[in-house]
Amino acid sequence: GQNIDQPTEMTATEGAIVQINCTYQTSGFNGLFWYQQHAGEAPTFLSYNVLDGLEEKGRFSSFLSRSKGYSYLLLKELQMKDSASYLCAVSDSNYQLIWGAGTKLIIKP
Amino acid sequence: GAVVSQHPSRVICKSGTSVKIECRSLDFQATTMFWYRQFPKQSLMLMATSNEGSKATYEQGVEKDKFLINHASLTLSTLTVTSAHPEDSSFYICSARLGLADYNEQFFGPGTRLTVL
Repeated sequence: GQNIDQPTEMTATEGAIVQINCTYQTSGFNGLFWYQQHAGEAPTFLSYNVLDGLEEKGRFSSFLSRSKGYSYLLLKELQMKDSASYLCAVSDSNYQLIWGAGTKLIIKP
Repeated sequence: GAVVSQHPSRVICKSGTSVKIECRSLDFQATTMFWYRQFPKQSLMLMATSNEGSKATYEQGVEKDKFLINHASLTLSTLTVTSAHPEDSSFYICSARLGLADYNEQFFGPGTRLTVL
């Protein structure tokens, strides 16, 4: 079956760095997405990786290793507004998104 | 980025009534639209995939006669929850995709919170 695993919840301190991991097993691979979702709102796009390596975009970076079925989202200089759920999703062979359950990130002052 | 709207943003209805939710891609033509449901503290659950002009493909366990999807144009898809029950109360989110290109990002609407009394 298809499976996306990510931690349920993480806590970090304002100004620090946090890494959210995602492992996946899917039928085919056409890219991996990270989305941010604040409570009560729809997800917003953060990043897309289809080739191995690190993609940096401001305070957020996303890494992919296709051979390991592994990705992480790195958030630097954490701000209180970064408190949200972070969803990992893989596009499978049919270009359908397979979603992880999300990681709730709690930022403490 | 591309913009997707949903209407209404919030709806409260009585049990047994039907509710229609609209999803529009405002500045692009969406070849495919998706309907998701999200219960509190849970991830998105794909309900169905719809392509313009054809019947929607429903995920296993989703009743197609209860959740009617009409994708009449490249910019509009509607989800009708028929004979709604309290257990249908949820956050319904649509998304639209430009095409089958490698960069196949889905653009999400803001969601519709449905409460069935």
